[in-house]
Amino acid sequence: EVQLVESGGGLIQPGGSLRLSCAASGFTVSSNYMSWVRQAPGKGLEWVSVIYSGGSTYYADSVKGRFTISRDNSKNTLYLQMNSLRAEDTAMYYCAAAMGYYWGQGTLVTVSS
Amino acid sequence: DVVMTQSPLSLPVTLGQPASISCRSSQSLVHSDGNTYLNWFQQRPGQSPRRLIYKVSNRDSGAPDRFSGSGSGTDFTLKISRVEAEDVGVYYCMQATHWPPTWTFGQGTKVEIK
Repeated sequence: EVQLVESGGGLIQPGGSLRLSCAASGFTVSSNYMSWVRQAPGKGLEWVSVIYSGGSTYYADSVKGRFTISRDNSKNTLYLQMNSLRAEDTAMYYCAAAMGYYWGQGTLVTVSS
Repeated sequence: DVVMTQSPLSLPVTLGQPASISCRSSQSLVHSDGNTYLNWFQQRPGQSPRRLIYKVSNRDSGAPDRFSGSGSGTDFTLKISRVEAEDVGVYYCMQATHWPPTWTFGQGTKVEIK
C-alpha cells in the first residue's frame, strides 16, 4: 500500500523558513515525478513545485526563488524548503505523486506574526 | 499559461439525480504525444483530493462507475449519473499537458445536496 506522509508544518512569522517533508512508503520517490500542491484556507488547489525522476525541478511563479524542492533517495522522502515566507503562503501543503493518484494528508503552514 | 475554467462553481443536486460539471481550457490539451492530460479530482470536506478520472475518460481504481468523463480539445465534462450523499464535496479539473507549470487546476465546483 502506498502512503505519503507530510510533516513539518506549523506557525511561522513572516520572513521565516520551514522545511516540509513527505515520507513515502510502498512507492519510490526517485523513480517518479513528485509534486507539492497547496490549498489556502477555503480556497482551491494550487500547484507549487515538481521534481522529476531525472532531477529537473520547476516552480510556480508565486514561489520561485523562495522555495526549493528536493528529495533524499536513501530516505525515500520529498522535501520543500520554504524561505522568506509570506502571509499568502498560509495553506495546507500536500505532496502528490503518479499524476495525482496518490496524495498525502497534508501539513498546515500558517504564516503570521 | 493555460487557464482552466469550471462551471458551475456551485451545484445543488437532488439525491439520485444526474449532475454535470464543465471544464474549459484556454488552449487545447492535446499533448504532442497524442494524449490529453485532463484529470478530475474529488475533495470531500476535510479530506485530501482524490483522483477520479485521468486522461479525460479513464476511471481510476476505486472510483464508482457513476462517475464518467468526456470531452476533447478544450471542452471537458464530468458527469455523475446518480448523485449519492457521499458525492458531496468540491470537484476540480486539472491539466497536465502544458508545462511549466506542471499542473493547472480549475477553480473547483462545489456539489451539495438540495
